[in-house]
Amino acid sequence: DTEVTQTPKHLVMGMTNKKSLKCEQHMGHRAMYWYKQKAKKPPELMFVYSYEKLSINESVPSRFSPECPNSSLLNLHLHALQPEDSALYLCASSQGPEETQYFGPGTRLLVL
Amino acid sequence: GQNIDQPTEMTATEGAIVQINCTYQTSGFNGLFWYQQHAGEAPTFLSYNVLDGLEEKGRFSSFLSRSKGYSYLLLKELQMKDSASYLCAVDPGSSTLGRLYFGRGTQLTVWP
Repeated sequence: DTEVTQTPKHLVMGMTNKKSLKCEQHMGHRAMYWYKQKAKKPPELMFVYSYEKLSINESVPSRFSPECPNSSLLNLHLHALQPEDSALYLCASSQGPEETQYFGPGTRLLVL
Repeated sequence: GQNIDQPTEMTATEGAIVQINCTYQTSGFNGLFWYQQHAGEAPTFLSYNVLDGLEEKGRFSSFLSRSKGYSYLLLKELQMKDSASYLCAVDPGSSTLGRLYFGRGTQLTVWP
């Protein structure tokens, strides 16, 4: 089983809203990732959690706030986003930080 | 910096064979991954190469030459459902803490 789940599938929010994206895996993976992907572009890494600790923050604006409550869950809290933040947000996980990454289906976010 | 290069677009006909090339120049090397991504969906893991040579998985094969900084993905007996973007990604090694560097993706269109 290589399933990573993400909720919601679609999200529309205004620039003053606060929302959260959720990601879950039950494969015992100890590394989890957030990526942002614009149309016709490759995924861009945002954050990496390794053994529940934030190991990489790719200079992401503070309006994106990651959280890893436990080894199976990863959240991305959104606040005061801009229209240019509209994108597909992908979560991925791997056994360890240098192992094969498996992606969830993504959340398609539209900021109005 | 890390540089991953692959062609932007390719076309082929059903039943044919297509080879998608990827060249890389990275600070180190800890493996190369190929992912398939259909429009609007998440990337799906296809293959992983860390040693030189050919890895075969059904209709898909992936080749690596570390000395040349070169890989290719070979798709045989093409089907319409193989129309997708194919992403080459490199893990430069432990100093990058599991960060993958993606090429821009190769959009493959399979014609009947």
